[in-house]
Amino acid sequence: GENVEQHPSTLSVQEGDSAVIKCTYSDSASNYFPWYKQELGKRPQLIIDIRSNVGEKKDQRIAVTLNKTAKHFSLHITETQPEDSAVYFCAANRRDTDKLIFGTGTRLQVFP
Amino acid sequence: DTAVSQTPKYLVTQMGNDKSIKCEQNLGHDTMYWYKQDSKKFLKIMFSYNNKELIINETVPNRFSPKSPDKAHLNLHINSLELGDSAVYFCASSQETGFSTEAFFGQGTRLTVV
Repeated sequence: GENVEQHPSTLSVQEGDSAVIKCTYSDSASNYFPWYKQELGKRPQLIIDIRSNVGEKKDQRIAVTLNKTAKHFSLHITETQPEDSAVYFCAANRRDTDKLIFGTGTRLQVFP
Repeated sequence: DTAVSQTPKYLVTQMGNDKSIKCEQNLGHDTMYWYKQDSKKFLKIMFSYNNKELIINETVPNRFSPKSPDKAHLNLHINSLELGDSAVYFCASSQETGFSTEAFFGQGTRLTVV
């Protein structure tokens, strides 16, 4: 069945450094790849997404890249700040199935 | 003006009881979901409904029964609760727009079975 693998499970960086989280999906028909941020005790919220017809998308300090051939996509956060500390989830979806499958999450800690 | 709201926020109950969690969305979305988030923070899809019809039913015990009286509501009923059911349950809704299929989550229901 569909599967999304996410690495690393935990990531600690110094404030100002970059952070990269990687995901791999199994269903080649997936065409939508969102990233969610979940702060402690709160609900997951979308921070950026990308469709399969685009290779890269950027929004201020965050960017997502997609390699359809390798079925990889990655989240890049530059100039990290303590408020970036949270659990980040990647996800993959097929437009025709209404099935948003999440990766296992990455706990990011940014130290001042 | 909450987009996706679920009640209750906290639920503590004894093993063997039956309980329900309610979810409502005022976004006009066609698709609603239930996700279970365990202590390791894994977000696992349980059910997906589109326009009141069940689309996805993952390998969830049949003690869990979703009900969608209309496309704005998706409730989750759980029979004979077990210790392993303790988790945070998130309701979500989404709508395919051609640009995005953003899922909006409720605030979660923390279920504790004792």
